[in-house]
Amino acid sequence: AQSVTQLGSHVSVSEGALVLLRCNYSSSVPPYLFWYVQYPNQGLQLLLKYTSAATLVKGINGFEAEFKKSETSFHLTKPSAHMSDAAEYFCAGQYGGSQGNLIFGKGTKLSVKP
Amino acid sequence: DTGVSQNPRHKITKRGQNVTFRCDPISEHNRLYWYRQTLGQGPEFLTYFQNEAQLEKSRLLSDRFSAERPKGSFSTLEIQRTEQGDSAMYLCASSPGGVGEKLFFGSGTQLSVL
Repeated sequence: AQSVTQLGSHVSVSEGALVLLRCNYSSSVPPYLFWYVQYPNQGLQLLLKYTSAATLVKGINGFEAEFKKSETSFHLTKPSAHMSDAAEYFCAGQYGGSQGNLIFGKGTKLSVKP
Repeated sequence: DTGVSQNPRHKITKRGQNVTFRCDPISEHNRLYWYRQTLGQGPEFLTYFQNEAQLEKSRLLSDRFSAERPKGSFSTLEIQRTEQGDSAMYLCASSPGGVGEKLFFGSGTQLSVL
């Protein structure tokens, strides 16, 4: 079955430290891949998306993600964490054959310590 | 662009009652999606519409669930004979259409079934 897996339900970093949130997808045919962020009491917002144009994708708020087909991964990074980055992050894939169905990972809650 | 609006924000009901949620998508967005999110999980796809046509339904959408988008604008999701297992956040999203398109999410309706 097609799936998206996020390693680590909770990640904690210090302010200014590197943020690394992991995401792996299943399938030999890569789906469209997305990272969404959810702040408390707000709807999910798109951070960035991969659609095969470039393997390194830059998003909003200084986040970027690198698509690695050999590792079936699409990890999210940010060089320097800010307190305002504290939120829940979801990786999602949209597989061919289902134009409506975004498959989400379980999410990773990011905490940023001062 | 006023964003995706969902009403009500919270709904508390007794087991066995029927509930209906409303979603107003971003105007001119052809696609409208319903997802369900439970604690500790990512959003799970329920169904989506292209204009007024319901094009895909998840196996999660049991016979007690029905969704409509009568004029291709707002949508309603009805749950009949609610069960405690229906307690979740119900998310609505819209997009201009097409594979790989960004989804714009509403803040959700939190359903609690007592």
